[in-house]
Amino acid sequence: EMQLVESGGGLVQPGRSLRLSCAASGFSFADYALHWVRQAPGKGLEWVSGITWDNVIIGYAESVRGRFTISRDNPKTSLYLQMDSLRPEDTALYYCVRSTPTTWALDVWGKGTTVTASS
Amino acid sequence: DIQMTQSPSSLSASVGDRVTISCRTSQGIYNSLAWYQQKPGKVPRLLIYAASTLQSGVPSRFSGSGSGTDFALTISSLQPEDVATYYCQNSHSGPLTFGGGTTVEIK
Repeated sequence: EMQLVESGGGLVQPGRSLRLSCAASGFSFADYALHWVRQAPGKGLEWVSGITWDNVIIGYAESVRGRFTISRDNPKTSLYLQMDSLRPEDTALYYCVRSTPTTWALDVWGKGTTVTASS
Repeated sequence: DIQMTQSPSSLSASVGDRVTISCRTSQGIYNSLAWYQQKPGKVPRLLIYAASTLQSGVPSRFSGSGSGTDFALTISSLQPEDVATYYCQNSHSGPLTFGGGTTVEIK
């Protein structure tokens, strides 16, 4: 069974940093692009960032550009999101997501990890 | 960045009705558009990719159309289990922006 399991969320003060991790299993991790998508409470989906199978950064949402950094470790089948200078508006459920083999449509989703940036 | 405009933001229809949701992009993205369904409290689910290709396991009452800047998701016969919020997404180039969502309810 294909699985993505996020971890690393929690309560953090504004201005501080947090690193999210995503552990993948059940598919050939090194063959797929991966992404982070977030959803603030009661709001819609926001694509945060993505990275190709060979470590090319697809991009960042304007709202996180310069503060967040995506990375991956293929031998460890893991995806990461380093979040610096966190703001209250970064409060959200963060999903780790895989895209299809031939497009950047998002076909496998984790259950998410919650980040709350608040004093 | 490519802007995504979905309409309507919400709709209410009867069981069996044909429902259409529109998505317009600020620049052409060929057929690189995906549609997702998110039921309350659940993880989003991919319904359609490449504008009109049905994801495996998705009921055939869902269909997608369009190319360039204008796209549509159609539910041919609305069912109670289709109550959800639907999102379009630019899958052409980063950042891979989402539309604002359309909430579908049963009348």
